[in-house]
Amino acid sequence: GQNIDQPTEMTATEGAIVQINCTYQTSGFNGLFWYQQHAGEAPTFLSYNVLDGLEEKGRFSSFLSRSKGYSYLLLKELQMKDSASYLCAVRDHGNNRLAFGKGNQVVVIP
Amino acid sequence: EAGVAQSPRYKIIEKRQSVAFWCNPISGHATLYWYQQILGQGPKLLIQFQNNGVVDDSQLPKDRFSAERLKGVDSTLKIQPAKLEDSAVYLCASSLGTGGNTEAFFGQGTRLTVV
Repeated sequence: GQNIDQPTEMTATEGAIVQINCTYQTSGFNGLFWYQQHAGEAPTFLSYNVLDGLEEKGRFSSFLSRSKGYSYLLLKELQMKDSASYLCAVRDHGNNRLAFGKGNQVVVIP
Repeated sequence: EAGVAQSPRYKIIEKRQSVAFWCNPISGHATLYWYQQILGQGPKLLIQFQNNGVVDDSQLPKDRFSAERLKGVDSTLKIQPAKLEDSAVYLCASSLGTGGNTEAFFGQGTRLTVV
């Protein structure tokens, strides 16, 4: 099975940098995804990590350490539109199920 | 390319009634997921299909929930009878497969309110 843990909420100022953490436990790891979900909308894909290290995509970067069961999403140059919930999801290698964490609500203030 | 289609968008029913949700995945996507998202929480996987076979339904409350994916394309999720705690958004998602960087694409969801 999978167990995914994320902190719940954080507030940050426009232009700042925020790091959102995710720890997980799984019987077989086959990739970690980060999604963004605005209130009342569906989750949308941000990034994917399967190997250790940092993946950079514009203002968003995601890091993975498989040995530690840990990932983080880094949001740089925060904009008001970045106010959303950020979800990490882990794919299990055994049956390929895709399970999500509870999400971390980021509130960007001027 | 059309996205994942779900209907209805909203549904209000009384407890003990039945309800069904429909999902049409992105064309060619073999994997289909149903998630339940209660307000303030992350999506909880209810059932995952690979074509028309069930990959995982370990968190599906089978005494009241059922799902099918006939012909490996469209899917329906049914609740019978509904309870107050079933009030949530039901999200359908699909992906090309389950290997490698196969991200899941989500529909807009069906917001269910049980009164």
